[in-house]
Formats: sequence, C-alpha cells, structure tokens
Amino acid sequence: AQSVTQLDSHVSVSEGTPVLLRCNYSSSYSPSLFWYVQHPNKGLQLLLKYTSAATLVKGINGFEAEFKKSETSFHLTKPSAHMSDAAEYFCVVRGLTGGGNKLTFGTGTQLKVEL
Amino acid sequence: NAGVTQTPKFQVLKTGQSMTLQCAQDMNHNSMYWYRQDPGMGLRLIYYSASEGTTDKGEVPNGYNVSRLNKREFSLRLESAAPSQTSVYFCASSEISGGPSSGANVLTFGAGSRLTVL
Repeated sequence: AQSVTQLDSHVSVSEGTPVLLRCNYSSSYSPSLFWYVQHPNKGLQLLLKYTSAATLVKGINGFEAEFKKSETSFHLTKPSAHMSDAAEYFCVVRGLTGGGNKLTFGTGTQLKVEL
Repeated sequence: NAGVTQTPKFQVLKTGQSMTLQCAQDMNHNSMYWYRQDPGMGLRLIYYSASEGTTDKGEVPNGYNVSRLNKREFSLRLESAAPSQTSVYFCASSEISGGPSSGANVLTFGAGSRLTVL
C-alpha cells in the first residue's frame, strides 16, 4: 500500500520569507512524486515532479523539492514567498499496484502569505 | 488551448435527482479521471478510463457511473443524488508515456464542478 502525509494543514509566512511545505510518503516501489498547486476556485496545476532522476527537482514559480529516500520525504521549498503563492498545495505519490499505476493525494496544505 | 473543460461549473440538486457532469479534453490524451475533493480529504478517485473503451472503479465509485464516450469525452453520472455527494468534482486527463515503471503520469485538471445536493 502507498500513502502520503502532508504534515501541516496550514502554513503562514510573511512575504519575502522562505516557504517549507512538508510531505512524507510510503510506497512499496520506487515512487514518482509530484506537487500540485490549487488557487481558489481553480483546478490543480503541476508545480514539479520527481521520477527517479535528479533528487533535487526545480519547478515553476521558483519552487523546488528534494527527494530524500532515507527520510521518505519530498518537502517543497521556496526561498522567498510572494503574495501570489497563497494557495493550497498537494503532494502526490504514484506507485505500482496490482492494477497498475495509482495516484494517491495528500490532504493538502493551505499556504497563507501575509504582508 | 482549452485543455480540460468541465460543465456545469455549479449545480444544485435535490436528493434523488439525477445529473451528468460532462468532461472533454482536446490534448489527445489517453487516460481520463474523475475525482472528488472534500475538505481535509484531498482528492479521491471515483472512476478512471485508462484508454478509450475502458473504465474502472477508483476509491469511491458507489453512487456513480461513467461513460467514456470517445477519446475526448468522459462523463460522470449521479443516478440518484444524495447529500453525501455534495462535493467539488474534478475531471483530469493524462498522456501516459513509457511503461508503468517509467515516465510521469502528469495530470491536467479541469476547473472543477461544484455540486450541492439538498
């Protein structure tokens, strides 16, 4: 079985300060991992993905994430938050199951950016 | 560049009514999916279609039916709506490249359909 845990349901930062959104996963196989962002009343948009290449993955809008197998983590970071980053962020794991590929979504982290 | 288009965006139903959510993609993707999003629960897969002509149950299929009408269109039907089906529904599509052990099954999402069942 596979699962994904987003450790914080809400994160609040000041504009210009670093962002850290935490994600831990479990998977029986070498997983693919993704971060998606959802702005209010919008669909989800892919931020970045890890697929067994470089462990440090760079995404759009200055976000990046590091795959750490020993810690089963895939935390999302950004050096300096912008007001437009306020959104909900979902960590997603893809692994093999008996029926083929399966995507498992985390429960989301709501990021608030304050002036 | 429409991507994934869902209709309607909003719908209010009474318990027991039926309705169909429509989804169409113009990216020539092979796979299509229906998810529901509920507060604090992330997205849960209702049904998916790995290719034209096939459909399979996801995590929460009860109370729903789907039809993969052609490669572009994948509809979700509620035959007898219940208050527990109040949710935001997302359609998504993907082009699966490589085999199951390679590549990345990146999803493209529609903007969502907000359904309220009274």
